[in-house]
Amino acid sequence: GGIITQTPKFLIGQEGQKLTLKCQQNFNHDTMYWYRQDSGKGLRLIYYSITENDLQKGDLSEGYDASREKKSSFSLTVTSAQKNEMAVFLCASSIAGQISGNTLYFGEGSRLIVV
Amino acid sequence: GDSVTQTEGQVALSEEDFLTIHCNYSASGYPTLFWYVQYPGEGPQLLFRASRDKEKGSSRGFEATYDKGTTSFHLRKASVQESDSAVYYCALSEGADRLTFGKGTQLIIQP
Repeated sequence: GGIITQTPKFLIGQEGQKLTLKCQQNFNHDTMYWYRQDSGKGLRLIYYSITENDLQKGDLSEGYDASREKKSSFSLTVTSAQKNEMAVFLCASSIAGQISGNTLYFGEGSRLIVV
Repeated sequence: GDSVTQTEGQVALSEEDFLTIHCNYSASGYPTLFWYVQYPGEGPQLLFRASRDKEKGSSRGFEATYDKGTTSFHLRKASVQESDSAVYYCALSEGADRLTFGKGTQLIIQP
């Protein structure tokens, strides 16, 4: 089995600050994702990456940057934190190709708190 | 674009009650449908999937049948337990490297 590790579990920052969340996976999966989870709004895709150095925008990419430094890691940066961005951010991974046949594995999430 | 609509908000039941969480989808092609479950403090995990019309997915006593005619994939369980308390997400994929999720339904089971 494998695991997805998200750090930090809680990230507290000030309005306007640039904040970065990190994600590591040891499944050796090709594709990695960042989702934002808001109560009552479900999971919305921010960015995903199908291989090292690849980046694809999701539905909610404005205000975020992402970086796939190597196959096992995928980081997400909030470029200027706002109070309405307080949410849980979920990292996930899957084998490349047709996701229909492949399971998405999630980390436990990182909670962003903006003060 | 693709979308998923599921029972909104919370569903509160007692142990041994019958559960239905509705899920309807809109997609241009022939998507694969999923149910994910998220327990407190954890990330979502796959419950099961179905990829063809009339295919039934099932796991842990939960089941759902792919219905292309009504564009539905309703989650059912005959007798819920307190340990089933969680958030349930319906999702779809049309073969690309991404899933589209519904807004989630919180299931609360009272002992």
